[in-house]
Amino acid sequence: NAGVTQTPKFRVLKTGQSMTLLCAQDMNHEYMYWYRQDPGMGLRLIHYSVGEGTTAKGEVPDGYNVSRLKKQNFLLGLESAAPSQTSVYFCASSYSRLAGATQYFGPGTRLTVL
Amino acid sequence: DQQVKQNSPSLSVQEGRISILNCDYTNSMFDYFLWYKKYPAEGPTFLISISSIKDKNEDGRFTVFLNKSAKHLSLHIVPSQPGDSAVYFCAASDGKGGSEKLVFGKGTKLTVNP
Repeated sequence: NAGVTQTPKFRVLKTGQSMTLLCAQDMNHEYMYWYRQDPGMGLRLIHYSVGEGTTAKGEVPDGYNVSRLKKQNFLLGLESAAPSQTSVYFCASSYSRLAGATQYFGPGTRLTVL
Repeated sequence: DQQVKQNSPSLSVQEGRISILNCDYTNSMFDYFLWYKKYPAEGPTFLISISSIKDKNEDGRFTVFLNKSAKHLSLHIVPSQPGDSAVYFCAASDGKGGSEKLVFGKGTKLTVNP
């Protein structure tokens, strides 16, 4: 039982390049989330999904796209990376959409855009 | 506009003593509060939560207190252990909004000295 895993752990991009971050969970959770964490900031929600085939925008969605083709996977795409997207990205999942539902986080992907 | 504020970026305590981490919020609609702990190079992990219908919740060495009139909550760790050294995030949610509406504070870095 690996919980939530993220691939890759680290990545350096040049401005304008594209990449996809992969999140996988083996807990059969319906709900999945992508956050970013910047220095001195809390986690901010980028996009989320309430089930296979569904996605929705969070607080800071601009410059990102997501897909949830399989229940266990949630992909975050950057079509044209910008230095402002340098951040640590965390994926999370939860069994419920209730406000108090525990979110289980992956270890994070540290992305640097030059 | 920060809705969840952790005004102390860092806190240092001696092993065996009490650690008190504080969190203030501005949105009176928040009715569920959570604390997450984060070690370096790992994702946040859920620690303890409290609903607005309670003013205290205890789990082993961890107790969260909620003062709704002051819009303030605190996390008490007694006794503090070196393994508690981590960044602690306070998070709040409006029960009507769902888990995707979780708002995080900027975090407080706790250091417990042996």
